[in-house]
Amino acid sequence: GIQVEQSPPDLILQEGANSTLRCNFSDSVNNLQWFHQNPWGQLINLFYIPSGTKQNGRLSATTVATERYSLLYISSSQTTDSGVYFCGGSEKLVFGKGTKLTVNP
Amino acid sequence: DTEVTQTPKHLVMGMTNKKSLKCEQHMGHRAMYWYKQKAKKPPELMFVYSYEKLSINESVPSRFSPECPNSSLLNLHLHALQPEDSALYLCASSHRNYGYTFGSGTRLTVV
Repeated sequence: GIQVEQSPPDLILQEGANSTLRCNFSDSVNNLQWFHQNPWGQLINLFYIPSGTKQNGRLSATTVATERYSLLYISSSQTTDSGVYFCGGSEKLVFGKGTKLTVNP
Repeated sequence: DTEVTQTPKHLVMGMTNKKSLKCEQHMGHRAMYWYKQKAKKPPELMFVYSYEKLSINESVPSRFSPECPNSSLLNLHLHALQPEDSALYLCASSHRNYGYTFGSGTRLTVV
């Protein structure tokens, strides 16, 4: 089955810093999605981004489908950005292991 | 309505109990899913319903029994669970143009 790799596994930032999270797929996917899981467990949809670039406030994402990777950019991070970020794709929505982000005040 | 609603939010059950988890969406999505998530792990697919028919069962033990009464509802019936079944159970629905929407989950503890 498809393999999804996320990096880095852990990231610690000071409030106001920028960061880039990466997601690599072992095979082509046409439904790549980024999620943020908050401390209460809810998976919040950030971007549905099979290809191209999207922006939503301080967050943006780029997927290069031909090279099977996607990037999530977080600018001017805030403490509320803390949590685990997952990417996923394929028919069965296979997830990577996630990036745990901690933003310190 | 752009939400997936799951009830209950928390559930504690004994190993001889029978309980059900419920999931509801009114976005007109025709695919619905159950995922299981253990602590510090990503969600793992359990079942997929497409147009109210079970299309994928990821070799889940029979003590978990899914049901899709209509296009808006998805249930997960639980019976004779084991302590290792304790986890966060997530329901999702999807549309091919908009991706997946997840509920807030049911945190299940089996004692």
